[in-house]
Amino acid sequence: GENVEQHPSTLSVQEGDSAVIKCTYSDSASNYFPWYKQELGKGPQLIIDIRSNVGEKKDQRIAVTLNKTAKHFSLHITETQPEDSAVYFCAAIFTGGGNKLTFGTGTQLKVEL
Amino acid sequence: GAVVSQHPSWVICKSGTSVKIECRSLDFQATTMFWYRQFPKQSLMLMATSNEGSKATYEQGVEKDKFLINHASLTLSTLTVTSAHPEDSSFYICSGHSADYEQYFGPGTRLTVT
Repeated sequence: GENVEQHPSTLSVQEGDSAVIKCTYSDSASNYFPWYKQELGKGPQLIIDIRSNVGEKKDQRIAVTLNKTAKHFSLHITETQPEDSAVYFCAAIFTGGGNKLTFGTGTQLKVEL
Repeated sequence: GAVVSQHPSWVICKSGTSVKIECRSLDFQATTMFWYRQFPKQSLMLMATSNEGSKATYEQGVEKDKFLINHASLTLSTLTVTSAHPEDSSFYICSGHSADYEQYFGPGTRLTVT
């Protein structure tokens, strides 16, 4: 079946540094790629998303890039802060899936002081 | 972003009993709602898709008679775990979808079956 691979599983950075999380997907016709942030004991929060007709999207310190040819997309967080510490999930909607999201395995980001 | 609520936020029940979890979209109409299950340190696993006014579609391996889903209106879906057992203990999360592709998630419900 369709799947999304996510790396790394854990990421530790110093406050102020940048963090990059990468995902690859299997269905070349996928057209929607959201990123979610999940804090402990809470539901996932949509932080940014990108559609297949766009190569890059930015929202303040957060950016997402999409490479359709290589079938991968990445989350970039600049000037990291302790409150960025959380689990981040990438996801994709596969064609014919009825808007169902397929999630990556998650990245535990820790921003250290 | 749009807001989805869940009730209760946590529940403890005895083995063999049933428990109902409510999912509400507060500021938008959710034509489709999704129910997920999440185990500690794992990703979200889709259980079922529910559309307002129709029967839910369950993912492979999910028992429809055990996890009853009702989507009575465009703002409310319920998940009932029937005859709960300790292995049903998990974090249950719903999401609402309206237009385009965005899904907005609820805060989750922690179910503990003793």
